[in-house]
Amino acid sequence: RKEVEQDPGPFNVPEGATVAFNCTYSNSASQSFFWYRQDCRKEPKLLMSVYSSGNEDGRFTAQLNRASQYISLLIRDSKLSDSATYLCVVAHSNDYKLSFGAGTTVTVRA
Amino acid sequence: GAGVSQTPSNKVTEKGKYVELRCDPISGHTALYWYRQSLGQGPEFLIYFQGTGAADDSGLPNDRFFAVRPEGSVSTLKIQRTERGDSAVYLCASSPGTSGETTDTQYFGPGTRLTVL
Repeated sequence: RKEVEQDPGPFNVPEGATVAFNCTYSNSASQSFFWYRQDCRKEPKLLMSVYSSGNEDGRFTAQLNRASQYISLLIRDSKLSDSATYLCVVAHSNDYKLSFGAGTTVTVRA
Repeated sequence: GAGVSQTPSNKVTEKGKYVELRCDPISGHTALYWYRQSLGQGPEFLIYFQGTGAADDSGLPNDRFFAVRPEGSVSTLKIQRTERGDSAVYLCASSPGTSGETTDTQYFGPGTRLTVL
Protein backbone atom coordinates (compact mmCIF):
# COMPACT_ATOMS: atom_id res chain seq x y z
CA ARG A 1 0.00 0.00 0.00
CA LYS A 2 1.35 3.44 -0.91
CA GLU A 3 1.96 5.87 1.92
CA VAL A 4 -0.14 8.57 0.24
CA GLU A 5 -3.20 7.74 -1.85
CA GLN A 6 -5.09 10.17 -4.05
CA ASP A 7 -8.03 9.97 -6.41
CA PRO A 8 -6.34 10.53 -9.77
CA GLY A 9 -9.40 12.24 -11.26
CA PRO A 10 -9.61 13.90 -13.64
CA PHE A 11 -11.95 16.46 -12.21
CA ASN A 12 -13.40 18.46 -15.08
CA VAL A 13 -15.15 21.59 -13.86
CA PRO A 14 -16.44 24.81 -15.45
CA GLU A 15 -14.90 28.14 -14.63
CA GLY A 16 -16.29 29.55 -11.41
CA ALA A 17 -17.14 26.16 -9.95
CA THR A 18 -15.92 24.76 -6.66
CA VAL A 19 -13.90 21.56 -6.72
CA ALA A 20 -12.69 19.54 -3.77
CA PHE A 21 -10.67 16.37 -3.40
CA ASN A 22 -8.92 14.39 -0.69
CA CYS A 23 -5.93 12.26 -0.07
CA THR A 24 -5.27 9.70 2.63
CA TYR A 25 -1.97 8.83 4.30
CA SER A 26 -1.06 5.62 6.04
CA ASN A 27 1.68 6.64 8.46
CA SER A 28 0.21 8.01 11.67
CA ALA A 29 3.64 9.46 12.53
CA SER A 30 3.33 11.96 9.68
CA GLN A 31 3.57 15.49 11.01
CA SER A 32 3.90 17.85 8.06
CA PHE A 33 1.44 18.11 5.23
CA PHE A 34 1.46 20.02 1.99
CA TRP A 35 -0.26 20.47 -1.32
CA TYR A 36 2.03 20.92 -4.32
CA ARG A 37 0.90 21.91 -7.77
CA GLN A 38 2.47 20.45 -10.90
CA ASP A 39 1.76 21.70 -14.40
CA CYS A 40 2.28 19.40 -17.35
CA ARG A 41 5.98 18.66 -17.86
CA LYS A 42 6.96 21.13 -15.13
CA GLU A 43 8.38 20.77 -11.65
CA PRO A 44 6.21 20.55 -8.53
CA LYS A 45 5.70 23.84 -6.73
CA LEU A 46 4.49 24.34 -3.20
CA LEU A 47 0.88 25.50 -3.18
CA MET A 48 0.32 25.56 0.55
CA SER A 49 1.17 23.89 3.80
CA VAL A 50 -1.69 22.24 5.69
CA TYR A 51 -2.13 22.98 9.36
CA SER A 52 -4.14 21.10 11.97
CA SER A 53 -6.63 23.91 12.33
CA GLY A 54 -7.15 24.14 8.58
CA ASN A 55 -5.99 27.08 6.55
CA GLU A 56 -6.98 29.22 3.65
CA ASP A 57 -4.97 30.99 0.98
CA GLY A 58 -7.17 33.05 -1.27
CA ARG A 59 -9.46 30.68 -3.15
CA PHE A 60 -7.74 27.59 -1.74
CA THR A 61 -8.70 25.93 1.53
CA ALA A 62 -6.87 22.97 3.03
CA GLN A 63 -8.09 20.78 5.86
CA LEU A 64 -6.38 18.08 7.87
CA ASN A 65 -8.17 15.28 9.70
CA ARG A 66 -5.58 13.46 11.80
CA ALA A 67 -8.06 10.97 13.26
CA SER A 68 -9.05 9.72 9.83
CA GLN A 69 -5.66 10.48 8.29
CA TYR A 70 -6.88 12.47 5.35
CA ILE A 71 -6.15 15.86 3.88
CA SER A 72 -8.43 17.85 1.63
CA LEU A 73 -8.08 20.71 -0.80
CA LEU A 74 -10.95 22.90 -1.94
CA ILE A 75 -10.70 25.39 -4.77
CA ARG A 76 -13.39 28.05 -4.99
CA ASP A 77 -14.27 30.12 -8.06
CA SER A 78 -12.07 27.97 -10.30
CA LYS A 79 -9.97 29.70 -12.95
CA LEU A 80 -8.63 28.25 -16.18
CA SER A 81 -5.17 28.70 -14.68
CA ASP A 82 -6.03 26.28 -11.88
CA SER A 83 -5.82 23.40 -14.37
CA ALA A 84 -2.95 21.26 -13.08
CA THR A 85 -2.12 18.14 -11.12
CA TYR A 86 -2.31 18.59 -7.38
CA LEU A 87 0.09 16.48 -5.36
CA CYS A 88 -0.62 15.58 -1.75
CA VAL A 89 2.61 15.44 0.27
CA VAL A 90 3.40 14.27 3.79
CA ALA A 91 6.55 14.18 5.88
CA HIS A 92 7.49 12.95 9.33
CA SER A 93 8.37 15.53 11.94
CA ASN A 94 11.35 17.59 10.75
CA ASP A 95 11.79 15.03 8.01
CA TYR A 96 13.36 16.01 4.76
CA LYS A 97 11.92 12.97 3.00
CA LEU A 98 8.71 14.02 1.32
CA SER A 99 6.23 11.31 0.39
CA PHE A 100 4.10 12.25 -2.60
CA GLY A 101 0.79 10.96 -3.79
CA ALA A 102 0.37 10.26 -7.48
CA GLY A 103 -1.63 13.44 -7.93
CA THR A 104 -5.17 14.54 -8.72
CA THR A 105 -5.69 16.11 -12.12
CA VAL A 106 -8.02 19.10 -12.32
CA THR A 107 -9.13 20.59 -15.61
CA VAL A 108 -11.08 23.84 -15.59
CA ARG A 109 -12.97 24.54 -18.80
CA ALA A 110 -14.28 27.82 -20.15
CA GLY B 1 16.65 35.18 -7.84
CA ALA B 2 17.82 32.08 -9.62
CA GLY B 3 16.05 28.86 -8.81
CA VAL B 4 17.28 25.30 -8.93
CA SER B 5 18.73 24.44 -12.31
CA GLN B 6 19.29 21.02 -13.82
CA THR B 7 21.19 19.88 -16.87
CA PRO B 8 20.61 18.41 -19.30
CA SER B 9 16.88 18.95 -19.63
CA ASN B 10 16.62 15.82 -21.74
CA LYS B 11 18.92 12.85 -22.03
CA VAL B 12 18.48 9.91 -24.36
CA THR B 13 20.85 7.02 -23.91
CA GLU B 14 21.15 3.37 -24.80
CA LYS B 15 20.74 0.50 -22.40
CA GLY B 16 23.99 -0.24 -20.62
CA LYS B 17 25.44 3.24 -20.93
CA TYR B 18 26.55 5.54 -18.11
CA VAL B 19 24.87 8.89 -17.50
CA GLU B 20 25.43 11.89 -15.26
CA LEU B 21 22.74 14.35 -14.29
CA ARG B 22 23.65 17.69 -12.78
CA CYS B 23 21.85 19.85 -10.23
CA ASP B 24 22.70 23.42 -9.26
CA PRO B 25 20.77 24.36 -6.10
CA ILE B 26 19.62 27.76 -4.95
CA SER B 27 22.59 29.72 -3.64
CA GLY B 28 23.01 29.30 0.10
CA HIS B 29 20.82 26.22 0.39
CA THR B 30 22.66 23.55 2.33
CA ALA B 31 20.14 20.78 1.81
CA LEU B 32 19.80 19.05 -1.56
CA TYR B 33 17.51 16.22 -2.61
CA TRP B 34 17.10 13.96 -5.59
CA TYR B 35 13.73 12.48 -6.53
CA ARG B 36 12.59 10.35 -9.43
CA GLN B 37 9.18 10.72 -11.06
CA SER B 38 7.80 8.04 -13.34
CA LEU B 39 4.90 8.69 -15.67
CA GLY B 40 1.62 9.06 -13.80
CA GLN B 41 3.29 8.90 -10.40
CA GLY B 42 4.41 11.38 -7.80
CA PRO B 43 8.10 12.00 -7.17
CA GLU B 44 9.90 9.34 -5.14
CA PHE B 45 12.77 10.20 -2.80
CA LEU B 46 16.23 8.98 -3.80
CA ILE B 47 18.87 10.73 -1.70
CA TYR B 48 19.38 13.71 0.60
CA PHE B 49 22.53 15.76 1.15
CA GLN B 50 23.22 18.09 4.02
CA GLY B 51 26.31 19.97 2.95
CA THR B 52 28.76 17.63 1.27
CA GLY B 53 27.60 14.42 2.88
CA ALA B 54 24.81 12.09 1.88
CA ALA B 55 22.70 12.07 5.02
CA ASP B 56 20.24 9.55 3.64
CA ASP B 57 20.59 7.47 0.48
CA SER B 58 17.91 4.96 1.39
CA GLY B 59 15.85 5.76 -1.70
CA LEU B 60 18.51 4.80 -4.24
CA PRO B 61 17.07 1.71 -5.98
CA ASN B 62 20.34 -0.22 -6.29
CA ASP B 63 24.10 0.16 -6.48
CA ARG B 64 23.99 1.37 -10.08
CA PHE B 65 22.89 4.73 -8.69
CA PHE B 66 25.29 7.06 -6.95
CA ALA B 67 25.31 10.77 -6.18
CA VAL B 68 27.95 13.23 -5.06
CA ARG B 69 28.11 16.80 -3.84
CA PRO B 70 31.83 17.38 -3.32
CA GLU B 71 31.78 21.08 -2.48
CA GLY B 72 28.38 21.30 -0.86
CA SER B 73 26.76 23.05 -3.80
CA VAL B 74 26.40 21.36 -7.21
CA SER B 75 25.39 17.71 -7.13
CA THR B 76 25.72 14.99 -9.74
CA LEU B 77 23.54 11.90 -9.92
CA LYS B 78 25.34 9.06 -11.67
CA ILE B 79 23.67 6.00 -13.15
CA GLN B 80 25.77 3.08 -14.37
CA ARG B 81 24.67 0.39 -16.81
CA THR B 82 21.36 2.11 -17.46
CA GLU B 83 18.25 -0.01 -17.91
CA ARG B 84 14.98 0.80 -19.66
CA GLY B 85 13.28 0.91 -16.27
CA ASP B 86 15.47 3.86 -15.31
CA SER B 87 13.54 6.04 -17.76
CA ALA B 88 11.88 8.80 -15.73
CA VAL B 89 12.16 12.46 -14.83
CA TYR B 90 14.89 13.04 -12.27
CA LEU B 91 14.07 16.01 -10.08
CA CYS B 92 16.45 17.87 -7.84
CA ALA B 93 15.29 20.08 -4.98
CA SER B 94 17.04 22.28 -2.45
CA SER B 95 16.07 23.88 0.82
CA PRO B 96 17.73 26.24 3.29
CA GLY B 97 18.54 23.32 5.57
CA THR B 98 17.69 25.21 8.73
CA SER B 99 16.71 23.01 11.64
CA GLY B 100 13.55 23.75 13.48
CA GLU B 101 10.08 22.61 14.24
CA THR B 102 8.82 22.53 10.70
CA THR B 103 9.90 20.78 7.53
CA ASP B 104 11.96 23.00 5.23
CA THR B 105 10.22 24.07 2.05
CA GLN B 106 11.83 22.25 -0.86
CA TYR B 107 12.21 24.09 -4.16
CA PHE B 108 12.34 21.88 -7.20
CA GLY B 109 14.29 22.22 -10.39
CA PRO B 110 12.73 21.58 -13.82
CA GLY B 111 14.08 18.04 -13.92
CA THR B 112 16.04 15.93 -16.38
CA ARG B 113 13.93 13.65 -18.56
CA LEU B 114 15.96 10.46 -19.00
CA THR B 115 15.02 8.01 -21.72
CA VAL B 116 16.85 4.71 -21.93
CA LEU B 117 16.35 2.96 -25.27
